[in-house]
Amino acid sequence: GAGVSQSPSNKVTEKGKDVELRCDPISGHTALYWYRQSLGQGLEFLIYFQGNSAPDKSGLPSDRFSAERTGGSVSTLTIQRTQQEDSAVYLCASSLSRRAYEQYFGPGTRLTVT
Amino acid sequence: AQSVTQPDIHITVSEGASLELRCNYSYGATPYLFWYVQSPGQGLQLLLKYFSGDTLVQGIKGFEAEFKRSQSSFNLRKPSVHWSDAAEYFCAVGAPGTASKLTFGTGTRLQVTL
Repeated sequence: GAGVSQSPSNKVTEKGKDVELRCDPISGHTALYWYRQSLGQGLEFLIYFQGNSAPDKSGLPSDRFSAERTGGSVSTLTIQRTQQEDSAVYLCASSLSRRAYEQYFGPGTRLTVT
Repeated sequence: AQSVTQPDIHITVSEGASLELRCNYSYGATPYLFWYVQSPGQGLQLLLKYFSGDTLVQGIKGFEAEFKRSQSSFNLRKPSVHWSDAAEYFCAVGAPGTASKLTFGTGTRLQVTL
């Protein structure tokens, strides 16, 4: 079956612009996660959605970052007024449920802020 | 809060040699433990996981890992490395009974020489 997909695969933007990154989870997966992977760093948790529950936003680094998940499926991560330090690979993952723990990752979106 | 340390940033082994990648965690109880592999330009793929029970777990691609509570370690091993194993490997920890967001180590890059 289809895995997690993300778009775009690459995004180059100018400092100060807003960007939207999209994630399509595996069908039937109720939990969705966003991570950020900076050069030489591990994965940094950003936000987590589970069904219709309020998202866990504890990892968002600033109020320039937001995410939504429509209809319990597709999610969009928005970064407003991008800064150069936002340059990273943004990874999306989904899991069958909140307690499934086994996460399936998409290929990521490489964001470059110039 | 849990944390993960992967002390080796980069490891080089010859094809056919054995491999051990180190992972140490910090958590107040027995966590859930994972190893993921990331090939260039790809998302993360789950190699194996430990929840409870037998401390030696088998995964895909011939990998295994051993949970050692006394050492707070979950090292990944493979008896004979193949050139296709060259990738970045991430250890991750999850807290049982809570939301399934994971804390990742900074990764170990494996290079395989022919």
